[in-house]
Amino acid sequence: QKEVEQNSGPLSVPEGAIASLNCTYSDRVSQSFFWYRQYSGKSPELIMSIYSNGDKEDGRFTAQLNKASQYVSLLIRDSQPSDSATYLCAVNRAGTALIFGKGTTLSVSS
Amino acid sequence: DTAVSQTPKYLVTQMGNDKSIKCEQNLGHDTMYWYKQDSKKFLKIMFSYNNKELIINETVPNRFSPKSPDKAHLNLHINSLELGDSAVYFCASSHPTASNEKLFFGSGTQLSVL
Repeated sequence: QKEVEQNSGPLSVPEGAIASLNCTYSDRVSQSFFWYRQYSGKSPELIMSIYSNGDKEDGRFTAQLNKASQYVSLLIRDSQPSDSATYLCAVNRAGTALIFGKGTTLSVSS
Repeated sequence: DTAVSQTPKYLVTQMGNDKSIKCEQNLGHDTMYWYKQDSKKFLKIMFSYNNKELIINETVPNRFSPKSPDKAHLNLHINSLELGDSAVYFCASSHPTASNEKLFFGSGTQLSVL
């Protein structure tokens, strides 16, 4: 089983809709969870981090973590064409570097 | 005032050549990394250095040799380049506190081996 799994997509949503991105991880001792956004030809940039079970909201973004199910998700409300990018889920446990999933490509159509 | 800068941005070379990529960060971070992103966008850790000391080496061929002259610099030298080395190489840095480890990435070096 891969350490961090994501559906590669593409996930297509119309402008104004909610985009839901999902990620599962295999190592139960993972401690920190991140969502990075990567535009084509650019470097990844951190958009959300979450460390404890539940929801964390930041503007149009909500990260959700369920450690019992080893599941982390990202919701993007009121999706905009500028949100079209690849979203990388990343997981960290003590003593290692961030482990990334293969990313989900999101396409928001206007 | 770029936080993490790496050069060159593009590198096109022939199989068998030796090449280097340089990385510098001005964030005062202790830890630096090299990640490789393949054509399918999979971002995979290669190396990690903490204050000039190698702490992570993820089963990377010996042809890849990182060097950290000080904690603000981490260079990557690649010997005998192969076609499969073609990828985007990202340098990153972080200042870990507790279990947090937020990465700041450089702009990437696109390596094409012909």
